[in-house]
Parts: sequence; structure tokens; C-alpha cells
Amino acid sequence: DTEVTQTPKHLVMGMTNKKSLKCEQHMGHRAMYWYKQKAKKPPELMFVYSYEKLSINESVPSRFSPECPNSSLLNLHLHALQPEDSALYLCASSHHPWEGPTYEQYFGPGTRLTVT
Amino acid sequence: DAKTTQPTSMDCAEGRAANLPCNHSTISGNEYVYWYRQIHSQGPQYIIHGLKNNETNEMASLIITEDRKSSTLILPHATLRDTAVYYCIVRVSMDDMRFGAGTRLTVKP
Repeated sequence: DTEVTQTPKHLVMGMTNKKSLKCEQHMGHRAMYWYKQKAKKPPELMFVYSYEKLSINESVPSRFSPECPNSSLLNLHLHALQPEDSALYLCASSHHPWEGPTYEQYFGPGTRLTVT
Repeated sequence: DAKTTQPTSMDCAEGRAANLPCNHSTISGNEYVYWYRQIHSQGPQYIIHGLKNNETNEMASLIITEDRKSSTLILPHATLRDTAVYYCIVRVSMDDMRFGAGTRLTVKP
């Protein structure tokens, strides 16, 4: 099973709302990633979790707060977002580099977020 | 700063081989070349990766030049469902997984 699931598929939220995006994988991967993708642009790396610890934060604004409660789950908590944060948010997972030299990533279908 | 250079777009006739080039002239000895594709409105999909030898799987073949400065992804018999943006990425660590602009491949009937 190489599936990464993301919920919800679509989300519309106001600038004062608090919402969360969820990502789940059952491949035993210990590296998990959040990406943001604007229309007609490539995905941009936001966060990387390594063995449930945040290892990379690509200078993402604090209104995005990631969380990795266990090895299968990854959340992205959203608060006080701006309209320009509207995008497709992608989650991915892979084996950890400590487990071998190659680690292809498996992506979920994404959550399409609209901030109004 | 992008580590790879790819053509912006390419067309291919259905049933023919699609050959997608990627230039990675600054690649270091321990960096692998990965290829992904993204079909419209879906998450990226892993295709294949390699270090220095040519590789083949059920989806595609990857040809890496001897000096490793460039590679070509080959889809042997392109179908309409192969229309997508194809990304070539070189990486050695977890934070290397950054996408360039990719090549938009259009397979035409």
C-alpha cells in the first residue's frame, strides 16, 4: 500500500477561522513533508518531519503550525490565514535517509484551501 | 536556486516514445536523480530514480549520461494519460526535495 491520504479534499475558511489539515500514511515512513502549491507553480517545501520531530521549517509564517502526533499522522494547523494563502496543500512521506540512500516520496492528493 | 534545467514544454504523439531531458550539470557524486510527474490537480507521483546506471521500471526508463550532467526520462509508448508536468530533481538530503518548474508534456492523439 503506497497511499497517502489527506482530509479534507477542499476547505474554505475565513481569515479569523482556525482549521486543521490532516495527512495519514501506513507505509512505515519516518519522514513526512508539507508542501504548498499555487496555481501553475511547482510545489514549495514548507516543513519536514524526521522521526516525528520537526527538522526543517522553510521560514513559513507562524499562522501555519505543523504537528506530528505519531509516526502515521501529520497535521497542519491553520490560524488567521490571508487570502494569498489559498493554494493546494500537499502532504508526502518517504523512508528516512538513515534507512538507506534513496527515499522516493509518496504524495497525497492534496487539500485545496480557499481563504476568504 | 534550481539544480536542474528542463524544457518548459514538449509535445508527443500518442503511441510514440516521449523523451524528456534534464540538465543537472552541478550534480555531486552522491546525489540521486529522481523523476516525478503531476497530472492536473493531483499530487505528484514518483516515477523512477537513479545514481549513475540506467534504470527501468514498469513506468519508464531513465538514462543518465556517463558524466552524470544530464539525464533523459523515456516513456516508451506515451498515452493521453501521460499528459502531465514532469519534474526532474537531484537530491542527497531531505531538504533537497525542491521542485523546479518542470516540463509540461502534452500527448496528442
